[in-house]
Amino acid sequence: TQLLEQSPQFLSIQEGENLTVYCNSSSVFSSLQWYRQEPGEGPVLLVTVVTGGEVKKLKRLTFQFGDARKDSSLHITAAQPGDTGLYLCAGAEGGADGLTFGKGTHLIIQP
Amino acid sequence: DVKVTQSSRYLVKRTGEKVFLECVQDMDHENMFWYRQDPGLGLRLIYFSYDVKMKEKGDIPEGYSVSREKKERFSLILESASTNQTSMYLCASSFFVGHSSRGDIQYFGAGTRLSVL
Repeated sequence: TQLLEQSPQFLSIQEGENLTVYCNSSSVFSSLQWYRQEPGEGPVLLVTVVTGGEVKKLKRLTFQFGDARKDSSLHITAAQPGDTGLYLCAGAEGGADGLTFGKGTHLIIQP
Repeated sequence: DVKVTQSSRYLVKRTGEKVFLECVQDMDHENMFWYRQDPGLGLRLIYFSYDVKMKEKGDIPEGYSVSREKKERFSLILESASTNQTSMYLCASSFFVGHSSRGDIQYFGAGTRLSVL
């Protein structure tokens, strides 16, 4: 079973600060997705990265896929309380083994 | 927009009851999945289906069964609910990608929070 390790598990920062969360594996993925989940709701897809070294921006969120397609990071600039949630990464192996989820990073942005 | 609808947001059942969780998707996706989510354990795959009447065991199928009689509907069944099945249950769907039976991008429902007393 392939594993995705997310760090940190918990992060609480003040509004306006920058932060980076990480998603690491020893395995290669054909693509990687980031989801955000709010309390009492299902995960909602934020982005998919496919190419090694790829960088995608979604307003204040920047996603990067590692060159070797084993890891990814999510950077948030000038965090806002609305960014609060559980951030999940999920890797697709492109074959029969399917999608692997990390356990997530719980992010709290305090006003 | 893709819509995955779970029939109940909250359920309270008693030990030993038979429980049905229903999930419907409106995007003609081939793949459908059932997960449970618990603090510290993340999302764990219970069962998935890549076609009508087809099902595959995930990582934790014990105590559960599934039914897929129509492409848009995937049901999770707890034959005899137990307290350790108290959890958040999430349904998801995706397109069939190549030969992968799980696909890439998954779209989730809002979840059913089940309490077994």
